[in-house]
Amino acid sequence: AQSVTQLDSQVPVFEEAPVELRCNYSSSVSVYLFWYVQYPNQGLQLLLKYLSGSTLVKGINGFEAEFNKSQTSFHLRKPSVHISDTAEYFCAVSDLNAGKSTFGDGTTLTVKP
Amino acid sequence: GAVVSQHPSRVICKSGTSVKIECRSLDFQATTMFWYRQFPKQSLMLMATSNEGSKATYEQGVEKDKFLINHASLTLSTLTVTSAHPEDSSFYICSARETGLTEAFFGQGTRLTVV
Repeated sequence: AQSVTQLDSQVPVFEEAPVELRCNYSSSVSVYLFWYVQYPNQGLQLLLKYLSGSTLVKGINGFEAEFNKSQTSFHLRKPSVHISDTAEYFCAVSDLNAGKSTFGDGTTLTVKP
Repeated sequence: GAVVSQHPSRVICKSGTSVKIECRSLDFQATTMFWYRQFPKQSLMLMATSNEGSKATYEQGVEKDKFLINHASLTLSTLTVTSAHPEDSSFYICSARETGLTEAFFGQGTRLTVV
């Protein structure tokens, strides 16, 4: 069984400030890790993923995340946010074998001018 | 990259009618497809997993007779919401995976509104 905990339900931040969205997971098997963004009334867009190799992964729109196996975390970061980054962000884990995904409850990022 | 197309993107139907949602893999063979549901302001919850040519496996609490899933080919899976009611109004998202690939790819979702 897998679970994902997104530690912050809402993160307000000013434009051009750095941001970190936190994600912890638990799993009895090896998993892949993902971050998705969802804009209002739209589907999921993949920001980045960790499959193997380097623990620091870079994604689209200037986002990056670091996989920490010992802390079972996969926090998402961006050094300078824009108004357009306002959206819902989901952390997810995927079972290597079965392929199904388990999602966190989401974090609402609100970027203020 | 792998593309999953979901249709329709939005649908409004009357209470008591049935609605069919299609999920297609455009450039790979989707041996496994997953259907998720997302209520407003909530996360995505897995409803069922289907393997091509087999019956779908439903998650606990999901009514298989209400949410009919067909995965008859390697590129198409359908979800039919039968006798829809307003409480079925939700955002439905599919994902598809080919055996041996590392991840599943998501469609853009279908917003169902039952009036």
